[in-house]
Amino acid sequence: GQQLNQSPQSMFIQEGEDVSMNCTSSSIFNTWLWYKQDPGEGPVLLIALYKAGELTSNGRLTAQFGITRKDSFLNISASIPSDVGIYFCAGQNGGSQGNLIFGKGTKLSVKP
Amino acid sequence: DVKVTQSSRYLVKRTGEKVFLECVQDMDHENMFWYRQDPGLGLRLIYFSYDVKMKEKGDIPEGYSVSREKKERFSLILESASTNQTSMYLCASSWDFNHGSYEQYFGPGTRLTVT
Repeated sequence: GQQLNQSPQSMFIQEGEDVSMNCTSSSIFNTWLWYKQDPGEGPVLLIALYKAGELTSNGRLTAQFGITRKDSFLNISASIPSDVGIYFCAGQNGGSQGNLIFGKGTKLSVKP
Repeated sequence: DVKVTQSSRYLVKRTGEKVFLECVQDMDHENMFWYRQDPGLGLRLIYFSYDVKMKEKGDIPEGYSVSREKKERFSLILESASTNQTSMYLCASSWDFNHGSYEQYFGPGTRLTVT
């Protein structure tokens, strides 16, 4: 079935550093979503993107809908310890009866 | 704020038992979903529902059934639990896709262990 390639799989960074992760697909998507999952909890929606080229911020988080519509990026500036968790991208490509396709996640660890 | 709640955070069941996982959302969302999440496999869709009494199979429906008798409630049933159904189960809800939104809102998850 359809897949989203999310990278990197994991990141170990120092507090205060900026973080960048991305999701790519071989086909075009109409919607990109970014979620964060804390250990033992459900994913929480961070940012939703609906237009190619769109750049949206949520506090220290910024996400972009790639201009080719085949990718999306999430950046976190000045990371803090509570940024620890797994970040998922999800996309909707007009198929699958409107359901989302999820990346496998980027696990972020932040050293104080 | 959207609120999706799941009946249990942790559950331990024996092989062969019938297991019910309940999910309730308070946003009047039309769509509801059940996923399971396993390390290395990500989120996999089990079943979803677009309306009361409607259900559709997802990617891995085998060994599961669902029930949606009321709009706000979506139940996942394991007819005869097996050890390979040990997993984190996540419920989600969203607006009807005709709203132009595909955002799904998740519950806190139920970690099920089958022994």
